[in-house]
Order: sequence, then structure tokens, then C-alpha cells
Amino acid sequence: GAVVSQHPSRVICKSGTSVKIECRSLDFQATTMFWYRQFPKQSLMLMATSNEGSKATYEQGVEKDKFLINHASLTLSTLTVTSAHPEDSSFYICSATQRTVNTEAFFGQGTRLTVV
Amino acid sequence: QQQVKQSPQSLIVQKGGISIINCAYENTAFDYFPWYQQFPGKGPALLIAIRPDVSEKKEGRFTISFNKSAKQFSLHIMDSQPGDSATYFCAASDSWGKLQFGAGTQVVVTP
Repeated sequence: GAVVSQHPSRVICKSGTSVKIECRSLDFQATTMFWYRQFPKQSLMLMATSNEGSKATYEQGVEKDKFLINHASLTLSTLTVTSAHPEDSSFYICSATQRTVNTEAFFGQGTRLTVV
Repeated sequence: QQQVKQSPQSLIVQKGGISIINCAYENTAFDYFPWYQQFPGKGPALLIAIRPDVSEKKEGRFTISFNKSAKQFSLHIMDSQPGDSATYFCAASDSWGKLQFGAGTQVVVTP
């Protein structure tokens, strides 16, 4: 199956700093990438949809200036958490859909962000 | 507002038993219904998926049953094994691929 690689898998940062998370599709071209946030023992909540070469579409309640998404190529999307606060600590997961199969999504392994 | 409702929240089943998880949706634009398995600290992995033109799909020990008129679908795990202990999420998406997830079901298979 298609592989999506997310990096880093874990990151600890100080409050007020910014953190960048990368999501790469390794063996396919991703028309669309999605970013999710998951709190402990909860479901995945969609944060934003990212299409290559265009601005991301954010879900209601997600601050676009705080969670910056860039999808510069068909294989790479990045999520930058700016001015991180302890309440941003969460598990962030990306997924990607292939150009030719536009509904099957492949997930990265997730990034555990801890803001101290 | 959860667009996909999932139950039960948790499930304990003996080894060899059947685990059944149910989901319901409202949005008739959904045309793809996957199930994901997630282990602690890992991203979700696709288990099995179905489209509304099929009422049942079986892959190994995993079966999806789909009832389009009732807008419900379920996952059956046959001959449950301790390695199946995980959290299972149902999801639904439209043709744009934006997945809406259920709340999740924590399955524990006892030896």
C-alpha cells in the first residue's frame, strides 16, 4: 500500500516557540493532504484540507494564523504550530489521497507534540 | 456535531469471539465508508472499506455490513485475537475525500 511518512514522531517545545511537522507521500503523488488533531482517548478531528499549490481550507474553529499549512509539492505538506501553548499539546496526524484514487486516504504515523 | 455516530464506546470480548461495532450517518453524500484500526501512539491504519453499491464486504476475519436505506454500517471481527485489541474508528467521506470519523471503540480481547 501507499506510504505516508510523518516527521518528527515526537517533539517537545517551549511555550511561545513554533514547531514544524512534515508529511510526505513516499511512493505516490498526493492531490490532497489532510491534517487531524487527536486528544487522548478521543477521535480524530479534521483541522484543515491542503491541496497542492493552493491555500489550505480550515475547519470551523481552527485558527489559520496559528496552524500554518503549506503544500508546496505533490509529495510534501507541512503544518507549523506557531506560538505554541500547552493546550496545543496533542497528537497531530496527516493523511494523503492519491491523484487517481481520490477517496482512499493513507495516514502518517502521527506526531506527538508536547508544549512545556 | 458528530456526523458519524459510533457504538459501543468500548467492548470486551473473549479470544475466539465476535466483536461487533456499529456506525450510523446522516449525510447521503457520503460514498465511501472505511474502518480504521489504531494502536496507542500510532496513526490509524485502514482495515477494510466499502462503497454504498455493496451490502457486504469480507476480508479475512473482518466483515463490513452496509445498510444504505437505514444509513448504517457495521464491522464484525470474527475469531477475535488478543492482537486485535485496539481502537477502531468508522469513517465516512464524500467524493472529495474529507473523512468524518466516529468517536471510536476500544476493543479488548481477553485470552
